[in-house]
Amino acid sequence: EVQLVQSGAEVKKSGESLKISCKASGYSFTNYWIGWVRQMPGKGLEWMGIIYPGDFDTRYSPSVQGQVTISVDKSIRTVYLQWSSLKASDTAMYYCARHRLEGREEEAFDIWGQGTMVTVSS
Amino acid sequence: DIQMTQSPSTLSASVGDRVTITCRASQSISSWLAWYQQKPGKAPKLLIYKASSLEGGVPSRFSGSGSGTEFTLTISSLQPDDFATYYCQQYNGTFGQGTKVEIK
Repeated sequence: EVQLVQSGAEVKKSGESLKISCKASGYSFTNYWIGWVRQMPGKGLEWMGIIYPGDFDTRYSPSVQGQVTISVDKSIRTVYLQWSSLKASDTAMYYCARHRLEGREEEAFDIWGQGTMVTVSS
Repeated sequence: DIQMTQSPSTLSASVGDRVTITCRASQSISSWLAWYQQKPGKAPKLLIYKASSLEGGVPSRFSGSGSGTEFTLTISSLQPDDFATYYCQQYNGTFGQGTKVEIK
């Protein structure tokens, strides 16, 4: 079964660092782009960025560029989303999701993780 | 950046109704558009890809059409399980703001 399993909910303080994870299984991990999508409480979906595990190529939305880092560890089939200094405005549900077709940088997301809730208090 | 605008933001409908949601792109995106359904507390689910192709396992009452800058998602006969929020997304990233389908 193709699936993405995300790490558990986090409660942090402003200024702290955080790394959340998304572990893939059931498909050729290095051949598909994986992305991160943010959903602030009561709000819509926001595309944050994508990474290609095959060669570590990464794209970011202008709104999050420099604020987060997307990385991958191919040996354990896991993609990460990382903050060096959290803000209260980072409070949101974060989803990882896989592109539908191998190798395509611009694609729909067909497989989604269950989401990781990040709560940042000031 | 390409902007995606959905209308309406909220839609009240009854079981059995035909429902249409519109998504407009700020510039042409050919057919590179997807539609998702999201229920409260759940991850989004892909319904339609490449503007009009039905994802496997999605009921045939869902259909998508359009190309260029204007797209529509149609539910031919609304079922109780369809009350949810629907998002369009252009393949290069941007999502629409969502359309909540409520019970009338």
